[in-house]
Amino acid sequence: NAGVTQTPKFQVLKTGQSMTLQCAQDMNHEYMSWYRQDPGMGLRLIHYSVGAGITDQGEVPNGYNVSRSTTEDFPLRLLSAAPSQTSVYFCASRPSASADFYEQYFGPGTRLTVT
Amino acid sequence: AQSVTQLGSHVSVSEGALVLLRCNYSSSVPPYLFWYVQYPNQGLQLLLKYTTGATLVKGINGFEAEFKKSETSFHLTKPSAHMSDAAEYFCAVTVYGGSQGNLIFGKGTKLSVKP
Repeated sequence: NAGVTQTPKFQVLKTGQSMTLQCAQDMNHEYMSWYRQDPGMGLRLIHYSVGAGITDQGEVPNGYNVSRSTTEDFPLRLLSAAPSQTSVYFCASRPSASADFYEQYFGPGTRLTVT
Repeated sequence: AQSVTQLGSHVSVSEGALVLLRCNYSSSVPPYLFWYVQYPNQGLQLLLKYTTGATLVKGINGFEAEFKKSETSFHLTKPSAHMSDAAEYFCAVTVYGGSQGNLIFGKGTKLSVKP
């Protein structure tokens, strides 16, 4: 299993540009999520999905869009990039919304800089 | 709502010394607690977790944590620090059934190990 994969690893955008961060998992996990990590802020939840076709907002959803058309993929779209979205983005997944399965598996991250 | 407080954004210890990283949580229902480690430029890796049962939890790389309900704490310890332990450590909390099991992270503690 490759686990959770993210592309690209690094990206530089200009203000106002749009782009999609890709996330895929090959573990047949129902739950997937996106976090952003900023210095001194820990990880904050952007959006999450409990299964194909179902998404919901997390703590910091503004400026981001998601969809979940398949179990494997959970892309994160930046609609109009802003410097405040400069961050490291992590995708994570777990098997299901079940007590023993709350451990999340994280991807390697995408480092995004918006100038 | 749940929350996590990690005391000390930076902790420095000498090689061979005790490692103690502090985590306090807030939750109105029994929590599930996690410690994750992040090595430089990498994703997050689960160190250990507490869901139910024994309150002293052992994890990978010689780390352990004890769930103390009366103190609302879940401190991470390791008897003897190794240079390879230098990393950032995150405490996280969730509850069964609430918010689809989304993890709430603390702001992280960066551990430095001096030779």
